[in-house]
Amino acid sequence: AQSVTQLDSQVPVFEEAPVELRCNYSSSVSVYLFWYVQYPNQGLQLLLKYLSGSTLVKGINGFEAEFNKSQTSFHLRKPSVHISDTAEYFCAVSFKYGNKLVFGAGTILRVKS
Amino acid sequence: EAGVAQSPRYKIIEKRQSVAFWCNPISGHATLYWYQQILGQGPKLLIQFQNNGVVDDSQLPKDRFSAERLKGVDSTLKIQPAKLEDSAVYLCASSWPLGRYEQYFGPGTRLTVT
Repeated sequence: AQSVTQLDSQVPVFEEAPVELRCNYSSSVSVYLFWYVQYPNQGLQLLLKYLSGSTLVKGINGFEAEFNKSQTSFHLRKPSVHISDTAEYFCAVSFKYGNKLVFGAGTILRVKS
Repeated sequence: EAGVAQSPRYKIIEKRQSVAFWCNPISGHATLYWYQQILGQGPKLLIQFQNNGVVDDSQLPKDRFSAERLKGVDSTLKIQPAKLEDSAVYLCASSWPLGRYEQYFGPGTRLTVT
């Protein structure tokens, strides 16, 4: 069965510091990979996606992620965070022949001043 | 371009009552999804429609949950009767047909069952 593991439930970080949110997946077939952000009382917004090609993917708001097939990981990074990045971040996978998204449990990013 | 619309935004009911949620997807999106997001967890797919046909409802508790998408546009998700464990945010999403994988999410309906 396919699954997604987000290794940290909460990540506290100071403003302007770098951050990495970790995501590992398990699947016996090829996958597409996504990161979504959820602000309080709002729906999910797509940050970035990996479908094929370059394994380094750039998204909105200065975020990027790297697909590592051998380690089945898709970690999210930002070199310098802002207070406004405080939110919950979800990693998700979709399988080559279907649209169904399987989500991780989420990581709450708390940016402190 | 208008986003995915959902109503109501909040609903409080007692257990054993019934409730319905409504979703209007982005215009032209043939695929519509309903997810359940329990506090502290990631969203879980309940049902996926392609136009007005069901593609995947394997995780829908069919003894109490039902969903329909008449005319292949807006959709309704119903719970009857509700249980305490149904307290969650119900998210609707839509996308272009298979081959375009980005899903656009609505703001969700927060259901509290007391």
